[in-house]
Amino acid sequence: GAVVSQHPSRVICKSGTSVKIECRSLDFQATTMFWYRQFPKQSLMLMATSNEGSKATYEQGVEKDKFLINHASLTLSTLTVTSAHPEDSSFYICSAREPQGVTEAFFGQGTRLTVV
Amino acid sequence: GEDVEQSLFLSVREGDSSVINCTYTDSSSTYLYWYKQEPGAGLQLLTYIFSNMDMKQDQRLTVLLNKKDKHLSLRIADTQTGDSAIYFCAASSTPLVFGKGTRLSVIA
Repeated sequence: GAVVSQHPSRVICKSGTSVKIECRSLDFQATTMFWYRQFPKQSLMLMATSNEGSKATYEQGVEKDKFLINHASLTLSTLTVTSAHPEDSSFYICSAREPQGVTEAFFGQGTRLTVV
Repeated sequence: GEDVEQSLFLSVREGDSSVINCTYTDSSSTYLYWYKQEPGAGLQLLTYIFSNMDMKQDQRLTVLLNKKDKHLSLRIADTQTGDSAIYFCAASSTPLVFGKGTRLSVIA
């Protein structure tokens, strides 16, 4: 089946630095990808919808200048956490939908970000 | 907008059946889904059901849909320790609307 690969799986960075997380669809073209944030023991919070070739659509309350999303190709979307702070520490997950797919059937394995 | 609610915890003994319940609010949801999340991992789509169906069975999994009451359930037969995970109910929308997840603990 289709696979979505997310990289890195874990990252530790210093406060004030930026971190880039990649989300790749390995065997299908994903015109739309989604970025979620998950706090411990909580559900997924949608951060933004990433559309290939256009600007991402951010959910209310998500700072677009802090969480930069780029979807430059049909198989790659990136999320860059800029000027990271300890409160940005979280589990970030991407998902992708096949063009004719029923739903977001394919999720990345997630990235655990720890800002120290 | 759509709202999806689930109970937060369920504990069962190995070999018993598990039933995870979910309610949703938007009756126009075309599809309803169950995802599984193991610790430190992403979500895995387990199964989904069309809104015009009442039941769907896939090996040990049985999904029941009561569209009138907007109630969805996932039954896992012969629950194993490997089934321990968080199970998310989701309703079709763009993007999906997830419940908070039910943490299933299987006691050996």
